[in-house]
Amino acid sequence: DTAVSQTPKYLVTQMGNDKSIKCEQNLGHDTMYWYKQDSKKFLKIMFSYNNKELIINETVPNRFSPKSPDKAHLNLHINSLELGDSAVYFCASSQDRAGGGQGYTFGSGTRLTVV
Amino acid sequence: QKEVEQDPGPLSVPEGAIVSLNCTYSNSAFQYFMWYRQYSRKGPELLMYTYSSGNKEDGRFTAQVDKSSKYISLFIRDSQPSDSATYLCAMRAPMNYGGSQGNLIFGKGTKLSVKP
Repeated sequence: DTAVSQTPKYLVTQMGNDKSIKCEQNLGHDTMYWYKQDSKKFLKIMFSYNNKELIINETVPNRFSPKSPDKAHLNLHINSLELGDSAVYFCASSQDRAGGGQGYTFGSGTRLTVV
Repeated sequence: QKEVEQDPGPLSVPEGAIVSLNCTYSNSAFQYFMWYRQYSRKGPELLMYTYSSGNKEDGRFTAQVDKSSKYISLFIRDSQPSDSATYLCAMRAPMNYGGSQGNLIFGKGTKLSVKP
């Protein structure tokens, strides 16, 4: 039973389109995150939600909008996709805002390719 | 200077070798240190979690933190081909310490290849 699951795994789309990525965790964690991993494998935080409330919003274009309908779900909607948005997007969760004693649990990623 | 520096490698070793992976950091507020392993086309998975300075051992893996030098290491003994992956160090400051939001800051990862 997957702890943090993301859909879709792969997404190929044209520039200018709008797309969404969904994430669900069944660990009972309070905090969820979106990370972006570029082609050089660098992982950078984009957003963090704690119990449905936005707590971290790094410098990310406002074309990216997260939404957390409940604490087990954190979705990412991207408007007007650009070539530079091509990357792997990882969802993660942690027990609480402090990261708990177990660190973060990551999903398997969504590989987004904008053409 | 970036907050967390990690040599991206690649690092290639023969099976059975001892592997040493390292990260340096600049923020003295960091107190929680982690190592993640990431296989190709998978998400990172937590390997080791340490708090403050010292050593922690788990099977063939040893994590070492030297806060005075702002340097952390991961040692892998008797390395196996199944250890071939990218290893990412990660660290964070306590919540609300010096403006920190408790974000995990990652190194760029070191790609390790263990040859049979």
